[in-house]
Amino acid sequence: SQQGEEDPQALSIQEGENATMNCSYKTSINNLQWYRQNSGRGLVHLILIRSNEREKHSGRLRVTLDTSKKSSSLLITASRAADTASYFCATDATDSWGKLQFGAGTQVVVTP
Amino acid sequence: SAVISQKPSRDICQRGTSLTIQCQVDSQVTMMFWYRQQPGQSLTLIATANQGSEATYESGFVIDKFPISRPNLTFSTLTVSNMSPEDSSIYLCSVLANTGELFFGEGSRLTVL
Repeated sequence: SQQGEEDPQALSIQEGENATMNCSYKTSINNLQWYRQNSGRGLVHLILIRSNEREKHSGRLRVTLDTSKKSSSLLITASRAADTASYFCATDATDSWGKLQFGAGTQVVVTP
Repeated sequence: SAVISQKPSRDICQRGTSLTIQCQVDSQVTMMFWYRQQPGQSLTLIATANQGSEATYESGFVIDKFPISRPNLTFSTLTVSNMSPEDSSIYLCSVLANTGELFFGEGSRLTVL
């Protein structure tokens, strides 16, 4: 069964606004990773947050992890049209390094 | 991060044929995996490609349908056998870095007619 569930399924915002998407999962994890996918191409790795971390930043990206609630959020600040893509969270269980369970993804559209 | 090259990037295939996808990594990696993304769906793990031994398949995937080779630490192939339209998907090769990050190739988009 799918480990991660993402919310919202779709998000439409204007350039300059922030975009927030959430991910929930079911079992204990090693790490949680966020990816971006443009128009059915390959996945671009955005950020990895470990189970003992609570927050991580990378450029305009901010990821939080709440292991007590089994949830994570990805915030994209000051969005750009180039951020238009599908965003996926993925987790690997404590004994399954690299065997990721993906969420359904959030489709983000940023309009100029 | 490793550079992962997949060939072909896309192909249109006839029902009943087989296609082999190649994955080349620019550095030696211990763990390689193959994933599938069906149209409009998320990614599902097919198998772990083990160097020098048989691949480890996830539930719902079998060796006869998806034979995998991994002759060394930089190369792997996935064959999609006896294809049907339901096999139309993007197939992605991935490698596990020492940091725990999983990196993906650009994918191979297969359309089966």
